[in-house]
Parts: sequence; C-alpha cells; structure tokens
Amino acid sequence: EPEVTQTPSHQVTQMGQEVILRCVPISNHLYFYWYRQILGQKVEFLVSFYNNEISEKSEIFDDQFSVERPDGSNFTLKIRSTKLEDSAMYFCATATSGTTKNIQYFGAGTRLSVL
Amino acid sequence: QKEVEQDPGPLSVPEGAIVSLNCTYSNSAFQYFMWYRQYSRKGPELLMYTYSSGNKEDGRFTAQVDKSSKYISLFIRDSQPSDSATYLCAMSGTDKLIFGTGTRLQVFP
Repeated sequence: EPEVTQTPSHQVTQMGQEVILRCVPISNHLYFYWYRQILGQKVEFLVSFYNNEISEKSEIFDDQFSVERPDGSNFTLKIRSTKLEDSAMYFCATATSGTTKNIQYFGAGTRLSVL
Repeated sequence: QKEVEQDPGPLSVPEGAIVSLNCTYSNSAFQYFMWYRQYSRKGPELLMYTYSSGNKEDGRFTAQVDKSSKYISLFIRDSQPSDSATYLCAMSGTDKLIFGTGTRLQVFP
C-alpha cells in the first residue's frame, strides 16, 4: 500500500540552528501539507502547497518557516532558526486532486527536539 | 467556542463492547468529515471519511454526520484490544484539516 515517507524520524537540534524535514509523497498525489503536534496537544495545520506554491498558511507558519519541492519528488519543510517552542511532531500529509484533496494521508512524522 | 470539540477521554471498555466516539463543531462551512486513528508517537492513520451528512459503514466501523446538529460520531462494533489508540476527528471546508483533541480509547481483554 502506498505511503507517505518522512525523514528523519527524530531530529535533535540546538536552538537557533536550521533544520530541514523531508517528505516523499504518495506518487500520484498533487496536494501537500505540513501539520505539527506539540506533545499532548491537537494536530495543527501549518501550510498547504500545490503547483509549486503555497495555497494557504496558518499564523504559526511565520517567516522562519519555508516549504519547497526541490526535485519533483521530495517535499521539504525548513525552519530557519529553531526555537524551543518548535519542539513537536511534524507530519507531512498528501492528497490526490480535486474534491479528494480533503482526504489526506499522513506520514509517520518527524519528532523535532530543540535544545 | 472552539471550532472542533472532542471529549479527550480516556475511554476504557471491555473487549466486544460497542464504542461511540463523538465530535461537535461550530463551522457550518465544513463539508468533509474524517476519522483518524493515532498510535502513540505515530502519524494519524485515515480510518473513514464522509462528505456532507449521512452514514458510512466499513467493517466494524460506522461514521455518522449530522450537519443540522453539527455533530459527528464514530461507532466501533465488537471492539478489540488492537483498537486501543487515540481517535481523532478532523473536518474541512477548504482543504485545511481542523482536528479535535483526540479521544484515547483502551479496550481491555
């Protein structure tokens, strides 16, 4: 069964460092999303991405965050200068197209620990 | 008022019980309603989705949406210990998913 693959599974970084989280979407999916889940809290939307541009972003997704699809396969989330409060699970989700873009499939997540 | 509300539980039931999980919401623009299952420190796994109102059944799972009451439910029949997980409701009007806090379910043998 096709799945969304995220790497690394766990990233430990020092405050102020840059991190890049990677996602390989399901092959025929065209809509890409990042969500995060702080420990013990709900899953929160960060950003949606379609046709090589951001469709929508939340207020969490400030100038420290960026997304791109550098090589047509990977979908990345970059945090430029990490803060302690960025520590969370980050999930990539993907969807096919049209009306089914609401039906999103999630990866296993990257646990980001900022020290 | 929160956009999506979900009782966090925990809900503890014996094997074979019928489980009812529920969410309420406030945004009448929501059209898609999903249920995800999440094991500890793993990603949400899509269980079922429903467009607009109505019922949908898949094996032991039944999803119900009542848009007039802004209330959705997931029923699990003949619950198994392997069903022990956190169940997340999620809904959307555009494509951004809004999640509930999740209900932790434990099914004991």
